[in-house]
Amino acid sequence: QQPVQSPQAVILREGEDAVINCSSSKALYSVHWYRQKHGEAPVFLMILLKGGEQKGHDKISASFNEKKQQSSLYLTASQLSYSGTYFCGTLNNAGNMLTFGGGTRLMVKP
Amino acid sequence: DTGVSQDPRHKITKRGQNVTFRCDPISEHNRLYWYRQTLGQGPEFLTYFQNEAQLEKSRLLSDRFSAERPKGSFSTLEIQRTEQGDSAMYLCASSYKIRTTGNTIYFGEGSWLTVV
Repeated sequence: QQPVQSPQAVILREGEDAVINCSSSKALYSVHWYRQKHGEAPVFLMILLKGGEQKGHDKISASFNEKKQQSSLYLTASQLSYSGTYFCGTLNNAGNMLTFGGGTRLMVKP
Repeated sequence: DTGVSQDPRHKITKRGQNVTFRCDPISEHNRLYWYRQTLGQGPEFLTYFQNEAQLEKSRLLSDRFSAERPKGSFSTLEIQRTEQGDSAMYLCASSYKIRTTGNTIYFGEGSWLTVV
């Protein structure tokens, strides 16, 4: 079952912050975050393995709440290069199928 | 460290023709995946190999689609009798599961298919 992402789209000014949410109706074992620019392949950002885990990558960080079956991606002091579509992916029990959410389109304007 | 490479990057074909895409995964990765992505949608899982064994196939993979990974290295995805609905980007990905860091899946640049 596909995870649900919100919001579907967000427009920011450079320097502003954004939060992208990913929730699932099934138990989550891990959450994977990717960014995809138009016409390009998804690029891996980070993976969260444990409930309550938080990770960071430059000014992009994420949290994973196993109980609530959700993950959030935090983009702080956004840069123009952050523009793109962000996807969360959830892995099945066997660890061999990553199911992606519908994506969140992020546009950062100068 | 070379990434996942796919060939061709773009293919335009007439309806009814067969097409084949090739994927070379990251060399030490034993897991290989094929996904399909249409405009405005997230990637959809098609199939998964562990070494040369095809262990998982999506219901999206109709009889016209076949994938192989003969020696557990590169993989091919063939679409027979293409239809306009097959137009999409076909993404290959690979991974190597490590207990402590999980199963990070890396994608190739994708192969764009246009069926006219």
